[in-house]
Amino acid sequence: QKEVEQDPGPLSVPEGAIVSLNCTYSNSAFQYFMWYRQYSRKGPELLMYTYSSGNKEDGRFTAQVDKSSKYISLFIRDSQPSDSATYLCAMSGYSSASKIIFGSGTRLSIRP
Amino acid sequence: AAGVIQSPRHLIKEKRETATLKCYPIPRHDTVYWYQQGPGQDPQFLISFYEKMQSDKGSIPDRFSAQQFSDYHSELNMSSLELGDSALYFCASRKGTEAFFGQGTRLTVV
Repeated sequence: QKEVEQDPGPLSVPEGAIVSLNCTYSNSAFQYFMWYRQYSRKGPELLMYTYSSGNKEDGRFTAQVDKSSKYISLFIRDSQPSDSATYLCAMSGYSSASKIIFGSGTRLSIRP
Repeated sequence: AAGVIQSPRHLIKEKRETATLKCYPIPRHDTVYWYQQGPGQDPQFLISFYEKMQSDKGSIPDRFSAQQFSDYHSELNMSSLELGDSALYFCASRKGTEAFFGQGTRLTVV
């Protein structure tokens, strides 16, 4: 079993829809939770990070963490065609020295 | 703002050759990670360095080695290259809660 499982997609929604991307994890040592966006052939771009249960908002993006269920989500409101990309959840331990483990990614397509 | 710099951006090597990939982390970041990403796959952790010491090791083949130098830049050395080594290689640097990735080196082994 992988340490991080991510809903594989692909996901195709119309412009303006609310998107929900989800990951589960099994390692209780994970304390930092990150979401990256990756366009084709580019490096992953950090979107948001959080380290506590609850919600964190940044513009149209909301990251949600439920440590008791070992479940994290990223919500995108008012989705735009430019949001079309692969979204990767990532997790790490508390220390800067901890490795970062990625989910398998969800390919998202926003239809105009 | 300074970002993670990787060089070269593209590299073509023949089987059994050696390749060296370089990574220049964001200034004052204390951790460097190396990842390998095959087509349609998520990034696979190879190795990391914290304050110039190896801090963790993932699924890195014995043919690969890496080090971090006194100026914090890191190099990934890959020997006896195989066709299956063709992939995007990403470096990331981290300080505290934020980890940023470079644009990657696309290695093609022919």
